[in-house]
Amino acid sequence: DVKVTQSSRYLVKRTGEKVFLECVQDMDHENMFWYRQDPGLGLRLIYFSYDVKMKEKGDIPEGYSVSREKKERFSLILESASTNQTSMYLCASSFFGTGYYEQYFGPGTRLTVT
Amino acid sequence: AQKVTQAQTEISVVEKEDVTLDCVYETRDTTYYLFWYKQPPSGELVFLIRRNSFDEQNEISGRYSWNFQKSTSSFNFTITASQVVDSAVYFCALSEGVGNAGNMLTFGGGTRLMVKP
Repeated sequence: DVKVTQSSRYLVKRTGEKVFLECVQDMDHENMFWYRQDPGLGLRLIYFSYDVKMKEKGDIPEGYSVSREKKERFSLILESASTNQTSMYLCASSFFGTGYYEQYFGPGTRLTVT
Repeated sequence: AQKVTQAQTEISVVEKEDVTLDCVYETRDTTYYLFWYKQPPSGELVFLIRRNSFDEQNEISGRYSWNFQKSTSSFNFTITASQVVDSAVYFCALSEGVGNAGNMLTFGGGTRLMVKP
C-alpha cells in the first residue's frame, strides 16, 4: 500500500515562528504536493514538486516555501508564521504523467498559529 | 482557468436513501481528467474514481455510480442505499493533463454528506 506520512497531526506555533512541516512517501512517486484545506474552500495547492529540487507554485504560494532534497521527502516551510496560516495542511504524492495518476494523501497536519 | 464547483455544501439523508452529489467543472482543454475523493472523519483523502474526457460511459461500483456528461460539464456521484459509513466530505477534482501543470489537481469546495441511522 502507498503510504504518505506527515510529521505531526497537530501543531501549535506562535506568530513569527519558523515552521517546518515534513512529508514522506514510500512509493517512489515523482510528484509531491502541499495543500491547505479550509472550510468551504476545498483544497488549495500551495506548491508542487515533480522531481528533486524542482518545484512549481500552486494557487497560494505566498508566505510559504518548500524543499525537496530527496525524492521521498517534501517539506513545507512557513518562514514567519501568521494567524491566517492556521489551517489543515495535506501532503500528497503521485506518479508523474499527464494528469492521469491519482494522488495519495497523508493524514494531514492541523496547524494553529496563536 | 479551470474551476470545479460543488454547489451542495452539506447534505443530510437517512440511511438507505439514495443521494446524488453534484460536480460542475470548467476547462478550456479538450483533454482532462476528473476525480472523486472521499475524506472520512479521520482526515485522509481516499481516491474513488478517475474519468478521462474522452470516456463518457457511466460507471457503477457497488452502491456507487458516476454520471459524466460533457454537454453540461458535470460529473455527478450517486450513492444508492446510503449507509452511515458513507458519512464524509466528498471532493470532485479536475486535472488538465498538459505538461507539468497537468499533474496538478483543482478541487471543488467539497460536499459534506451526513447519513443518519
